[in-house]
Amino acid sequence: DSGVTQTPKHLITATGQRVTLRCSPRSGDLSVYWYQQSLDQGLQFLIQYYNGEERAKGNILERFSAQQFPDLHSELNLSSLELGDSALYFCASSAGQGWTEAFFGQGTRLTVV
Amino acid sequence: AQSVTQPDIHITVSEGASLELRCNYSYGATPYLFWYVQSPGQGLQLLLKYFSGDTLVQGIKGFEAEFKRSQSSFNLRKPSVHWSDAAEYFCAVYMEYGNKLVFGAGTILRVKS
Repeated sequence: DSGVTQTPKHLITATGQRVTLRCSPRSGDLSVYWYQQSLDQGLQFLIQYYNGEERAKGNILERFSAQQFPDLHSELNLSSLELGDSALYFCASSAGQGWTEAFFGQGTRLTVV
Repeated sequence: AQSVTQPDIHITVSEGASLELRCNYSYGATPYLFWYVQSPGQGLQLLLKYFSGDTLVQGIKGFEAEFKRSQSSFNLRKPSVHWSDAAEYFCAVYMEYGNKLVFGAGTILRVKS
C-alpha cells in the first residue's frame, strides 16, 4: 500500500458528461501529480500541484482541470467527456516540489461509453 | 527531444532465468532515473532510482539497474526471475524543465514455468 488513495476505483459514464476524480496524498506529502495512462499514449503527465498551487503542467486538455485543497487532497475534473478520454488516471504524491520520490495510487479506471 | 525508449514491448523468460530490461534515455542534463513496476489492475510501484553516485543501484524484490552515461542507458536486471515478477515495467526520467516524470512505453514481462 503506497499510502496514496484514489476514488473511485472505476467509473463508467456517457459522452458529454463531467466527472471528478479524487486523490488523497500520503500523510505529509505536499505535491500531487496526475497522470493519464492509455493504450495509445502510454503514461502522460497531466498536472502537478504543490501545497495548493499549480506547479507544473503537462499534456492536460482544456476540458480537464484540477485543484488541490487546503487539506492537500486533489481533484481532477474531466468535462465534455469523449470516448478517447477512457483511460486509467493515476495520482502520485511526493513530499517536496520535485520528483525525488513519488508514490502512486492504484488509479481510477474511467470508461466513457 | 527528451524521451525514454524501452525497445522491447514484450519479453518472455523462464522462471529462474536471468532478466535484463533495456532502457535508453535522451536528456541533456544529468538524469534522475527510475524503474517502476505495474501489476495488472495495480498502481505503479517504485523498484529503484538513480540520482547520483554509484552507478549500480539496488532496488526492491532483488532488482538492480546500472546507469551508463556513455550509452545513455539504465537497464534493469534480476539474476533469477520468479513467476510473481510477471508485470509491466516502466523506465522513467525526471526532467527538471517542466518538473515532470517522463515514462517509456513499458515492457511486459511474461514468466514461463
